[in-house]
Formats: sequence, C-alpha cells, structure tokens
Amino acid sequence: QLQLQESGPGLVKPSETLSLTCTVSSGSISSTAYYWGWIRQPPGKGLEWIGSIYYSGNTYYNPSLKSRITISVDTSKNQFSLKLTSVTAADTAVYYCARHSSLRSPLDPWGQGALVTVSS
Amino acid sequence: QSALTQPASVSGSPGQSITISCTGTSSDVGGYNYVSWYQQHPGKAPKLMIYDVSNRPSGVSNRFSGSKSGNTASLTISGLQAEDEADYYCSSYTSSSTPVFGGGTKLTVL
Repeated sequence: QLQLQESGPGLVKPSETLSLTCTVSSGSISSTAYYWGWIRQPPGKGLEWIGSIYYSGNTYYNPSLKSRITISVDTSKNQFSLKLTSVTAADTAVYYCARHSSLRSPLDPWGQGALVTVSS
Repeated sequence: QSALTQPASVSGSPGQSITISCTGTSSDVGGYNYVSWYQQHPGKAPKLMIYDVSNRPSGVSNRFSGSKSGNTASLTISGLQAEDEADYYCSSYTSSSTPVFGGGTKLTVL
C-alpha cells in the first residue's frame, strides 16, 4: 500500500526558506498515472492546496503562493520536495504531501503531516 | 481562488442523519462534478470519504453519501456514530485548473 512521509526542519526563521521532502514508499513516483501534491493547514484552521507536480516535472501552483513556491521531484530517490521562500509566521502550519491522479482528482493517500513553525 | 463555504459546525445525536453543505460558484462546485469530501480526526491526516460528488472509495461506510445541486454540494452521514465526530472538508476542481478546499465543518455527535 502506497505510503508518503514528510520530513524537514520543524523550525524556520522569518524571511528564510522552508524546505520539506516527501518520500514515497511501496510505489513509484515515476508512475505516469499520478500527480504529487502539497497541502498545508495552519493550527486550528482549514486546508490549503499549495501545489502539485507531475512525475515529468510539470508544476501547478496555488496562485496566492506562486511567487514563493518551488516544487521539484527526484525520481532517483522516489521523493518530491517543497521550497517556500520568505516565510512569515503566517506560514506556520502542518504540511501534508499527497497523491492524486490529476488536478481534478481527489488527494489520496496523504502523509501523516509535518509541523513547521516559523519563529525567531 | 476563494475557499468554498461550509458551516462552521453541525451536530446530531447517535442514529440521526446530518448534512454538511459546501457552497461555491459556477467556476468550481457548480461547473464540475469533481467535488470531494475529507474526514479529519484531531491530530490526524485527512481521509478521503467521497469523490466525484457521490462516489465512495473502497472501505468507506455506505452511511456516507454525497450529492450536488447547482453551486452547492452536500455530504450526508446517516446513522450517526460517535466515531463520526471529526472535521469535514469539501474540495472542488476550479476553472483555474486547480483544486480549492472549503473552510471545514466540525461535526459533534451529542
């Protein structure tokens, strides 16, 4: 059964870059059938789609975050990554990675999530 | 890309049925049959409960059902059980070719 696991620093300073990696196991990230996405959830708040990447490297970003986001894929490591620049306290959230068949399709499964706190 | 509108909270007694609404526009919910619903228990990742408006993934109880009318999608849970107490989020594909989530609804089982 496909599993996803987020990893990265749990604390990032304001104005710096948040970097997270999602490792995919029991399945290939190179599958032509799937997109790989990032979603975040500030404490006590709702879900926000950040962006997704196709195995080929084509990326799709939330317009509200587009200027600060880079999502990349490393097929040799079966991983995909998120970089969010110029972070502020508003970027404090649990960050989830997930898979979907297309941008129209539901996100399933999800990783367990990684809390990233932006603070000096 | 505005979030879809959900009620902040709903409640019901065990055995009853409840419905959670998700209101968007013709550019998202009303324009496509790509509405999903997720269940999230505290401290856990969201779990897919309904996709493409009314389809249930394998393993999801048939007590969960989805529908859509115009710009509003709905999730109905029948025969409420204590384990259904959770946050529920809707999501829709949009005319911007991206997904958008609702603000979430807290379900309390009385």
